[in-house]
Amino acid sequence: DIVMTQSPDSLAVSLGERATINCKSSQSVLYNSNNKNYLAWYQQKPGQPPKLLIYWASTRESGVPDRFSGSGSGTDFTLTISSLQAEDVAVYYCQQHYSIPFTFGPGTKVDIK
Amino acid sequence: EVQLLESGGGLVQPGGSLRLSCAASGFTFSTFAMSWVRQAPGKGLEWVSVISDSAGSTFYADSVKGRFTISRDNSKNTLYLQMNSLRVEDTAVYYCAKSNGGNCYGSQDYWGQGTLVTVSS
Repeated sequence: DIVMTQSPDSLAVSLGERATINCKSSQSVLYNSNNKNYLAWYQQKPGQPPKLLIYWASTRESGVPDRFSGSGSGTDFTLTISSLQAEDVAVYYCQQHYSIPFTFGPGTKVDIK
Repeated sequence: EVQLLESGGGLVQPGGSLRLSCAASGFTFSTFAMSWVRQAPGKGLEWVSVISDSAGSTFYADSVKGRFTISRDNSKNTLYLQMNSLRVEDTAVYYCAKSNGGNCYGSQDYWGQGTLVTVSS
């Protein structure tokens, strides 16, 4: 199984400041035949289901604010919130859908400092 | 508007069975793979199972393999999860999620609100 790790476990950022979350997979999730990274980022607010933010590691889902961006390839990925807003308080998960079983990272909790 | 509405959760004793349903609307159900993902109370997300658009392919997490069965009825726009031999550790909110493609290897772009399954004596 591919193991997903995230860092940090939690972070507190001032409003308007940048938040950066890292995700690492135990093996590459880059599919060479189509050059796509099978890596997604989700946001989950308390009492709500997860919401897809980023897919193929760097493609923003429709309707997601452009302050959210994803980067990375192979085994190392980053989710960046360029200017944190109050509504961004949530837990963020990365997920690989490259191989069965699909696996999620443990989550990173983002709060306001 | 895409809508996914789970039902069928509840309290069941260890060793018992439940069948979850997920009624889908707002998209062409038969052309997208569908998944179940669960979340134990206060814990992270755990992928459970996925089924391709035509139901030709199904996959399971090791933790549920042999006990859970995913299926779909494309004529009724409904996804199912038959859960047998339930264990205390299966207690979780179960989410139905739509994949962003027809094969199983896609991200999940829409999620239902979830249904709570509690396994306890």
